[in-house]
Amino acid sequence: AQKVTQAQTEISVVEKEDVTLDCVYETRDTTYYLFWYKQPPSGELVFLIRRNSFDEQNEISGRYSWNFQKSTSSFNFTITASQVVDSAVYFCALSVFYYGGATNKLIFGTGTLLAVQP
Amino acid sequence: DTGVSQNPRHKITKRGQNVTFRCDPISEHNRLYWYRQTLGQGPEFLTYFQNEAQLEKSRLLSDRFSAERPKGSFSTLEIQRTEQGDSAMYLCASSLARLDSYEQYFGPGTRLTVT
Repeated sequence: AQKVTQAQTEISVVEKEDVTLDCVYETRDTTYYLFWYKQPPSGELVFLIRRNSFDEQNEISGRYSWNFQKSTSSFNFTITASQVVDSAVYFCALSVFYYGGATNKLIFGTGTLLAVQP
Repeated sequence: DTGVSQNPRHKITKRGQNVTFRCDPISEHNRLYWYRQTLGQGPEFLTYFQNEAQLEKSRLLSDRFSAERPKGSFSTLEIQRTEQGDSAMYLCASSLARLDSYEQYFGPGTRLTVT
């Protein structure tokens, strides 16, 4: 079975602080994808980043960076110099990869509510 | 380039009524997914289409739920004899079936309130 755990329910920071959102996943499969999505108050889920299980290289994209560690089954997401517009619920998700017509459905965590105060 | 669209955005209905939601995926995407999200939770998978074929249904999808995707384009999700427990946000997503482009893109959702 697959599972995603986001232990942080809510985080509050002051603008310009760095913030890291934690994500721990469980799967016995060797080929999978990990995602971060953002859900602002408007409600629409916005895709942020994707990482596959073969690539543990950590990257930086603008103010976003992520730390993928297979040894600890963690996929943490960092926002540098947070802004008020970053306030949203952030979801970590797992998709086990199967060839052919298989579902590749997303399994979401319960989300972390990030509030960035001015 | 238009994203995933869903209609209606909001639906209020009385218990026992039938409702139908529509999803229009990104035009070149052959995969379409339905999810349900309740307050304070992450989205939960309901069902999946590849082109017009419905290939998987979650156990969450009771007999009162039915989904279609005629001609592999838009999709509809119908709930018959609605119950208060059906109140939720219903999300549609679409994706390509490519190794380098596996992310799902979500629509704005349809918020259902059953009174």
